[in-house]
Amino acid sequence: GQQLNQSPQSMFIQEGEDVSMNCTSSSIFNTWLWYKQDPGEGPVLLIALYKAGELTSNGRLTAQFGITRKDSFLNISASIPSDVGIYFCAGRQYNTDKLIFGTGTRLQVFP
Amino acid sequence: KAGVTQTPRYLIKTRGQQVTLSCSPISGHRSVSWYQQTPGQGLQFLFEYFSETQRNKGNFPGRFSGRQFSNSRSEMNVSTLELGDSALYLCASSLMGQGQHEQYFGPGTRLTVT
Repeated sequence: GQQLNQSPQSMFIQEGEDVSMNCTSSSIFNTWLWYKQDPGEGPVLLIALYKAGELTSNGRLTAQFGITRKDSFLNISASIPSDVGIYFCAGRQYNTDKLIFGTGTRLQVFP
Repeated sequence: KAGVTQTPRYLIKTRGQQVTLSCSPISGHRSVSWYQQTPGQGLQFLFEYFSETQRNKGNFPGRFSGRQFSNSRSEMNVSTLELGDSALYLCASSLMGQGQHEQYFGPGTRLTVT
């Protein structure tokens, strides 16, 4: 199945550090969604973006819809242990209207 | 407002058997999508139902089928189970459609095929 390129695949960081991850595609997207998944649970929606260039924050999380409409990034500031999990991006493809998911970024935070 | 619920949470089946999974969307949501999640393949889209009609379909064999009821609840069926069907099956609901509104996921059903 089709998936978005998401990087990095995994990150091991110290508590208090900032984190940045992104999703890229060769296709144009109309919507970008960012999810976090804890082990054994379903993904939880963190941020939704609807317009190119849009910058949205949710607490320590900030996400942006790329100007080219082909990418998005998520930043987490001052990471804490409960940020541990897998982060997924998802984009609504312009020409098919389908929701495509990224491959995920596994985040580990050490105290 | 209650979230998306899925039953059962865990299931163990034998090769060749069939299984039915259930999903109740958030109240008022009319679209239900199903996904298969495995460590190697990530989140793979199975199908989407809207107003009792299948609206989108992923690239899965015909052994995977689904339906949606008039109250928007949805079921997914897998027939003739194979070992490779072991996965976390996630259901997600949205107000109108997966392409138009945010999707909210349930906790998933962990299926193990032995």
